[in-house]
Amino acid sequence: KQEVTQIPAALSVPEGENLVLNCSFTDSAIYNLQWFRQDPGKGLTSLLLIQSSQREQTSGRLNASLDKSSGRSTLYIAASQPGDSATYLCAVRPGSNFGNEKLTFGTGTRLTIIP
Amino acid sequence: DGGITQSPKYLFRKEGQNVTLSCEQNLNHDAMYWYRQDPGQGLRLIYYSQIVNDFQKGDIAEGYSVSREKKESFPLTVTSAQKNPTAFYLCASSMTLTNYGYTFGSGTRLTVV
Repeated sequence: KQEVTQIPAALSVPEGENLVLNCSFTDSAIYNLQWFRQDPGKGLTSLLLIQSSQREQTSGRLNASLDKSSGRSTLYIAASQPGDSATYLCAVRPGSNFGNEKLTFGTGTRLTIIP
Repeated sequence: DGGITQSPKYLFRKEGQNVTLSCEQNLNHDAMYWYRQDPGQGLRLIYYSQIVNDFQKGDIAEGYSVSREKKESFPLTVTSAQKNPTAFYLCASSMTLTNYGYTFGSGTRLTVV
């Protein structure tokens, strides 16, 4: 059974710093990995989707990397801003045949950017 | 704009009542999902549907029921059999047979009073 872990559970950094959030998964047979952001009391907003054949994806100040063989992904946030404060979740989709789109989620990292 | 709409945003249930949470999408996605989120826990899958008139139990289906009569709609009923229904409920959708990701709604917070 796939297990997804995000450590640390909470992280506080001063504004302007670069930071890395970690996601690890136990079964390397994944189809893709998706990073989400969740603000308090809100739904999930997709940030980046990285396919199993890709090594990284970039969107603005965000960069996600994927090392499937080691079961790890990182989300790099450059020049952090107070508006980046949120919970960040990663989720993996199994690499079985088409038609299996159920994601397994990590428990998230709650990020606080200190002004 | 395409998206997923969940309603209501807040819902209060009395003991012994059934309540239904609405989820509608206009993304033309085939698959739809219901997740439950509790503080300090990850998202747990309740039910999912990959095609109209078909749905499957997730990891915590007991006390819940769903229907999928239309592609756009996937309502979740929380029955009186669900002993601890207070939680944040999230609906999501995706395209099957593609490598696209998930799209989520804004959630419904259910509280038992």
